[in-house]
Amino acid sequence: AQSVTQLDSHVSVSEGTPVLLRCNYSSSYSPSLFWYVQHPNKGLQLLLKYTSAATLVKGINGFEAEFKKSETSFHLTKPSAHMSDAAEYFCVVGDITGFQKLVFGTGTRLLVSP
Amino acid sequence: DADVTQTPRNRITKTGKRIMLECSQTKGHDRMYWYRQDPGLGLRLIYYSFDVKDINKGEISDGYSVSRQAQAKFSLSLESAIPNQTALYFCATSDLAKYNEQFFGPGTRLTVL
Repeated sequence: AQSVTQLDSHVSVSEGTPVLLRCNYSSSYSPSLFWYVQHPNKGLQLLLKYTSAATLVKGINGFEAEFKKSETSFHLTKPSAHMSDAAEYFCVVGDITGFQKLVFGTGTRLLVSP
Repeated sequence: DADVTQTPRNRITKTGKRIMLECSQTKGHDRMYWYRQDPGLGLRLIYYSFDVKDINKGEISDGYSVSRQAQAKFSLSLESAIPNQTALYFCATSDLAKYNEQFFGPGTRLTVL
């Protein structure tokens, strides 16, 4: 079975400083990996996805993530945080066995202070 | 206009009541999903449907039922609500060819007293 572990439940940064949200995955196959963002009182929005092409994936709003097979990691980064980045972020793995479902991590809440 | 809509957005009900949550989509996707979100647990799949005639249980289907009335509509029912079904419920859709890129509705916050 495939799974993801988000290593931090909360991350606090100051506006203008770098963001790092950590995610490790477990998969018996070459995984599809995603980051979704959930702003308060909103649905989830796809930030970026990795599907076995380039290992460095660029997403919306300046976010990017790097797939590292040797470390089984897919960490999300942004060079400079903005107040509007405050949200909950979910690392997700696509389960290609069975009916091809998505498996969600438990989420990381990003807090951005002025 | 939103591509995936959910009604109601908020609902407070009492234990034992029957509740229906509705989801509609204009994306033309075949696949639709119902998830439940609880704090600290991420999203968990309740039911999913690959087309009107294909409905499947997810990992936490007990206490829930669904109906796929049309390609664009997928309803979730709680036959007899209980307090531990208090949660945020999301509907999602995906295209057959891109199953892993799901588009989410805004969510329904359900409180069972």
